[in-house]
Order: sequence, then structure tokens, then C-alpha cells
Amino acid sequence: DIQMTQSPSSLSASVGDRVTITCRASQSITSYLNWYQQKPGKAPKLLIYAASSLQSGVPSRFSGSGSGTDFTLTISSLQPEDFATYYCQESYSILFTFGPGTRVDIK
Amino acid sequence: QVQLQQSGPGLVKPSQTLSLTCDISGDSVSSNSATWNWIRQSPSRGLEWLGRTYYRSKWFNDYAVSVKSRITINPDTSKNLVSLQLNSVTPEDTAVYFCARVDLGPEGNGAFDIWGQGTMVTVSS
Repeated sequence: DIQMTQSPSSLSASVGDRVTITCRASQSITSYLNWYQQKPGKAPKLLIYAASSLQSGVPSRFSGSGSGTDFTLTISSLQPEDFATYYCQESYSILFTFGPGTRVDIK
Repeated sequence: QVQLQQSGPGLVKPSQTLSLTCDISGDSVSSNSATWNWIRQSPSRGLEWLGRTYYRSKWFNDYAVSVKSRITINPDTSKNLVSLQLNSVTPEDTAVYFCARVDLGPEGNGAFDIWGQGTMVTVSS
């Protein structure tokens, strides 16, 4: 089974900061990596698919990169509405494993 | 636009069956380019994919090993919905349950792009 890890597990940042979240897969998943944002009491929202493609309607301050086992999600200038938990998810295997999440809160 | 609306009880007794439905609007459960998935989320297990159903000239199902002996996901083409049944539940099945679509068509992205609102299900006597 593919294991997904994320770092950090949480971070505190200020509005306007550049934020980077890392996701690592236990084996190569080529570019089958997606990123989601989740706010309390809501369903996850797709931000990035196929490692680096921006989902329609998602602001361009979100970007993704990486391939193989190492991936990053970057928020270029953090906005108040971006405080949330972020999850990576592999779509390489039938298990569709999610990472444990990275919580972004206000410094 | 595509929307998924979930319904079902929020409380289930241990050893009984958890049953949820996911009404689909703006797409078809019989689409040849979509899969219809159930995912759950709990503090102890995080986000966990449970299974899917999809139509490719005939119906297919895939289930997570962790629940394979207890789960059934069925499409209902007359009502355009997908249902989840999880048998013999225990308190460990307490979670928020989501339905979600994957679009594998030319305009799709292969990710969970549309989600239901979520249903909190508690397993308790």
C-alpha cells in the first residue's frame, strides 16, 4: 500500500506570507497527486490535480509541483480565507490514499 | 452544475447496518466517464476511501480491503443516485461520510472534484 506523509502537520502564518506544504509518497506515484482544502464542517475542496494543474475557479496564488515521490503545495500570498487544513491524495492506486493533513492557522 | 446531496440517519446501533444515499444532479450515475465514491473521515483514521461504483457498458465496484466484507455500493438509475450500505457496524465506524465524484472524461481531472455535504454518523447504543 502507498503511504502518504505531509509536513509540517501544522503551521502558523500571517496574511501575505508565502506558505509551502510538502507531501511525500512511499513509492513513485508519477504525477497522480491531488491537493484539497478543507474548512471546519465542510467537505474537502479540490485545489490542484495531477500534481500541478489548477482546478477551475481556484485562485492562482495556489500552485503545485513535484513528481515521483515528492510534491509541494505553495500559497504565494496567504489570504484570510486560506486558513484551513490541506490534504494531499494519491490517485495512482485503487486505495486513493490521503495524507494526514496540514493545518494552517493565523499567527 | 453538478451537485451531490446526501441523506441518511445520523445514529446507528452497533451490529446494525449504516445506510446512506447520495442524490446526483447535473450528471448521470450511468456516465461512462465518472466514478461515484464513498469516503469517510474520522479523527483516528483521517480521510479514508471506502469504495466506488461506475458504469462502463456494465456496472463495476471496487472496495477498500478494510471494509470489503461489510460494504455494498449500489447505483439506482431510476433515481440517479448512489447508495452506501455498511453492515455490522461498530463504534470504530463513527465518522463523517462523504460521497464524491471522479470525472475521467476529456474535461475531467481524475480527482475527487465534486463532494456531497457530508453526513456525521455515530455508532452507539
